Amino acid sequence: KNQVEQSPQSLIILEGKNCTLQCNYTVSPFSNLRWYKQDTGRGPVSLTIMTFSENTKSNGRYTATLDADTKQSSLHITASQLSDSASYICVVLRGHNAGNMLTFGGGTRLMVKP
Amino acid sequence: NAGVTQTPKFQVLKTGQSMTLQCAQDMNHEYMSWYRQDPGMGLRLIHYSVGAGITDQGEVPNGYNVSRSTTEDFPLRLLSAAPSQTSVYFCASSYSSGSGEQFFGPGTRLTVL
Repeated sequence: KNQVEQSPQSLIILEGKNCTLQCNYTVSPFSNLRWYKQDTGRGPVSLTIMTFSENTKSNGRYTATLDADTKQSSLHITASQLSDSASYICVVLRGHNAGNMLTFGGGTRLMVKP
Repeated sequence: NAGVTQTPKFQVLKTGQSMTLQCAQDMNHEYMSWYRQDPGMGLRLIHYSVGAGITDQGEVPNGYNVSRSTTEDFPLRLLSAAPSQTSVYFCASSYSSGSGEQFFGPGTRLTVL
């Protein structure tokens, strides 16, 4: 079954600290993996997209890693800011066919406290 | 560019009522899709379209209809609302149905009483 599991479900950290969010997937065939940030009451916004051959990708203070062998990805946030408080969603694109192509994780809700 | 826009932002319906959620994009994207987001669950695909005049079902299509008469617009119709359709609905678009980045609208929060 094609699934994307994220951990932890929720996380509270202090401003300025680093954190790492985890994503495990069983989606096949794999095309790419995306991390989205979703602020409360808003639509998801893309942070990174990684293909099979990419091990790491950065977007400012966000760094995503991908291990295609173990089917795991992580999103590392450096020097967290209050504006990082949001849900972070891991999404895997399956194959190259249209429709049912994206499998979404349930998200990790991050709260950054001052 | 306005990106992907959705209206209304909030809606309350009674069971059995029908309504249309509007979605429009100004990026000339061929691919558009509708998702619903429920607490504790990942977004689930309702319907999608790979271009004007072409639509297909996603993972949870029952109770919803779509049409795509223009590249810009992709409305979602609830035929006879049920409490199980209480959810947040997101429209998204991308250049292609493949590996392209998807751009999401701000969402419509629907409550069915």
